[in-house]
Amino acid sequence: AQKITQTQPGMFVQEKEAVTLDCTYDTSDPSYGLFWYKQPSSGEMIFLIYQGSYDQQNATEGRYSLNFQKARKSANLVISASQLGDSAMYFCAMSRADQAGTALIFGKGTTLSVSS
Amino acid sequence: SAVISQKPSRDICQRGTSLTIQCQVDSQVTMMFWYRQQPGQSLTLIATANQGSEATYESGFVIDKFPISRPNLTFSTLTVSNMSPEDSSIYLCSVVPGPSTDTQYFGPGTRLTVL
Repeated sequence: AQKITQTQPGMFVQEKEAVTLDCTYDTSDPSYGLFWYKQPSSGEMIFLIYQGSYDQQNATEGRYSLNFQKARKSANLVISASQLGDSAMYFCAMSRADQAGTALIFGKGTTLSVSS
Repeated sequence: SAVISQKPSRDICQRGTSLTIQCQVDSQVTMMFWYRQQPGQSLTLIATANQGSEATYESGFVIDKFPISRPNLTFSTLTVSNMSPEDSSIYLCSVVPGPSTDTQYFGPGTRLTVL
């Protein structure tokens, strides 16, 4: 069965520092997508970054980059130069193998706190 | 991407009543989904909203409790029926805009409290 694991319930970082949020996944499907979402206290889910299983290069979107290590089945999110507004819950997710265009399986999330 | 709105944004309801949540998208989209996020938990898929046909429900979710409609490619509703305090959650709709992308975008969510 497919599974997403986020082992860090909470992370703390100082403003302007970089932080890595861990995510490992398990799937037997060769084709899948990996996603990161940010959920502030307001509850909305904000899409951050996507990595396809066949993509050769790590995805980047502004201050966000995804460290994709396929052999280790890890898809860590790196946030460079943290800002106070980055404080939120972060979810790693994977596309379901049984659906095209596609529902997501989520990890339990990591709460990031950025201090000044 | 797509601009997604949900109504209501939040509500407080009495047990035994029902609430219908609306999800409106600013463009036609391929796929629409409904998720539930219980307090302090991650997101769980309730169902896939299929245009013009019955929704496809996940294990543990049934049509009598969570009836879903999707009359066209831009609109869907989720009803939470005969509510109990255990239904207190954030309910989110999400969309995949088209066949050329797998990226899923979420609405702002509906925060439901059942007393």
